[in-house]
This record gives sequence, C-alpha cells and structure tokens, in this order.
Amino acid sequence: EAGVTQFPSHSVIEKGQTVTLRCDPISGHDNLYWYRRVMGKEIKFLLHFVKESKQDESGMPNNRFLAERTGGTYSTLKVQPAELEDSGVYFCASSQGPAGVVTDTQYFGPGTRLTVL
Amino acid sequence: DQQVKQNSPSLSVQEGRISILNCDYTNSMFDYFLWYKKYPAEGPTFLISISSIKDKNEDGRFTVFLNKSAKHLSLHIVPSQPGDSAVYFCAALLPMRFGAGTRLTVKP
Repeated sequence: EAGVTQFPSHSVIEKGQTVTLRCDPISGHDNLYWYRRVMGKEIKFLLHFVKESKQDESGMPNNRFLAERTGGTYSTLKVQPAELEDSGVYFCASSQGPAGVVTDTQYFGPGTRLTVL
Repeated sequence: DQQVKQNSPSLSVQEGRISILNCDYTNSMFDYFLWYKKYPAEGPTFLISISSIKDKNEDGRFTVFLNKSAKHLSLHIVPSQPGDSAVYFCAALLPMRFGAGTRLTVKP
C-alpha cells in the first residue's frame, strides 16, 4: 500500500511569489492534516480535513495560506504571496478515522521543504 | 504558545544502554500522547502511544511512562541500538501538538 506522498520535495521561491504544495493521502483515509516545522522547532498543526470539509483550521497562520481538498482525495496548500517566514518543512498526514478519535494513527508524508528567498 | 516541550535538543548514549527521552506538557486537557520517530528527509513515523488513563505502555524495546500529576512523559529505549539514532518527537492530542524534538545518537 502506498504511503502519504507530497510534491514537490523541495521548493525555492522568491518573496512575493506563489507556491502550491500537494499531498496525496493514503487511499481510503478520510482525514488529512497539514503541519509545518520551522527552523528545527516544533511541528505545528495547520489544519485538518475530513473528506473535503475543513474540520479545524485554527492553526493556519494567516490568509496568505489557502488549503483545499476538492473531492476529498488529494489536498493542496497554496501560499500567496510567500514571505520569508513561511520557509520551513510542510508535512501532510492522513488517517483512516473516524475523526476525533484519539487512537486514530496519523501517517506522515516525507514533507516539502519550502525556502523563500 | 508551546504546549508540549522537549527541553533536551539532543541525547547521546552508548549502544546497549538505556535511552531516556523526556517531554513535558502544559495543557491538562490532553488525554492521549504519542512518540514519533523521524529520520532525515522522511516524515515522522508513529512509534508508541499512551492514553491518559494509563501510566505505562510497553512495546518491545520501547516503553512510554506518563506522570499526569507532573504533566510529564518519557520514552525509554532498552537496549539502545545504532539504528535508533533519529529525532524523536513527543506529541499530544487534540489537535496534535508536537514538541521540538530530541535528536538521539546511539554510538556503537
């Protein structure tokens, strides 16, 4: 079974440009999560989808970030316009559910390293 | 605010000895805790978890201890192996909040 995949693995852009990150969850997983790790610090929660609906987006830093999950399959996270502080590693995770069950194990993708110059 | 803290950024132990990784949390509403292991260029992988109704959970060489009154948990690895060298993240739910990670190096 394929794991969580993320594309691209690495993106280098200039401040003010737009970048779109993609996450393909494990097939059949209703829950999809986005996280970010900045400068070797803790991994921070960004948002949580259940199928195509945003269950919790309390971690989204500001309105420059837009996440979508059309059709409840893959998800994209767009940063527009990118700022220097957006640099970091963006992880996606998926889980089978049901949502909110604490024992529901999340499986992480390898991450996308975003560098904003 | 950082609700889950791992105060040791790194730990080095000799092969065969015990590795003890520590984690503190501040939110008493957390009721489930996990440890993830991360190798370079890979995403975190689930290692072991513990519910707040327990104080210990064991899985092979890995044991997690939870002290609710102290809001502290620890991961014990016995015996440590060179392949255990990785960054270990403590996490608490819900939603998932991670510590900053501890880099474990096991020397042969």
